[in-house]
Amino acid sequence: SQQGEEDPQALSIQEGENATMNCSYKTSINNLQWYRQNSGRGLVHLILIRSNEREKHSRRLRVTLDTSKKSSSLLITASRAADTASYFCATVNTGGFKTIFGAGTRLFVKA
Amino acid sequence: GAGVSQTPSNKVTEKGKYVELRCDPISGHTALYWYRQSLGQGPEFLIYFQGTGAADDSGLPNDRFFAVRPEGSVSTLKIQRTERGDSAVYLCASSLGGGSGANVLTFGAGSRLTVL
Repeated sequence: SQQGEEDPQALSIQEGENATMNCSYKTSINNLQWYRQNSGRGLVHLILIRSNEREKHSRRLRVTLDTSKKSSSLLITASRAADTASYFCATVNTGGFKTIFGAGTRLFVKA
Repeated sequence: GAGVSQTPSNKVTEKGKYVELRCDPISGHTALYWYRQSLGQGPEFLIYFQGTGAADDSGLPNDRFFAVRPEGSVSTLKIQRTERGDSAVYLCASSLGGGSGANVLTFGAGSRLTVL
């Protein structure tokens, strides 16, 4: 089963530009996480935001969470060609550890 | 171990055969997850274990799929009477699964299953 829906499905930008990806989900959550996947590889955790937080920063990443709208956004600033990958949001349900992923946004950063 | 290890990395089998995929999680991680990922899609939840028991197996598509984790460490995903539609990358992940509620997953590289 999948819970999150990301948009856009695909995003192509120039190096140096910012990239914004959005995620919507359906049920109550404990926290929301973003993962990155390079082609043919496993997923790597990027950042986590708890349900009682509204914004979180880590290096060039900024994540927002709006629990009233059940949505989150991931902003990558000053993108680099090495940021080219698929990005997935994942929600962790309240009261447990079940982690559900969205369909992902495919980001392509042109050098 | 240092990371999550999955074997085999690639498995080609014929329709109707039985397949086992193995996952060796990070030492000390109590939670273990199985996902299935098709090309261009996100990971699809199959099952997760807390210790030896399956805490949630609601994602297993049908009774041909079964997973075990008898000693609370290594897990095996078993697929009986494989079908062409089972072809996908099977991802395993583990986490501390503790009371922090954070539950960050560490993924293995996956096992690519091709059913001919």
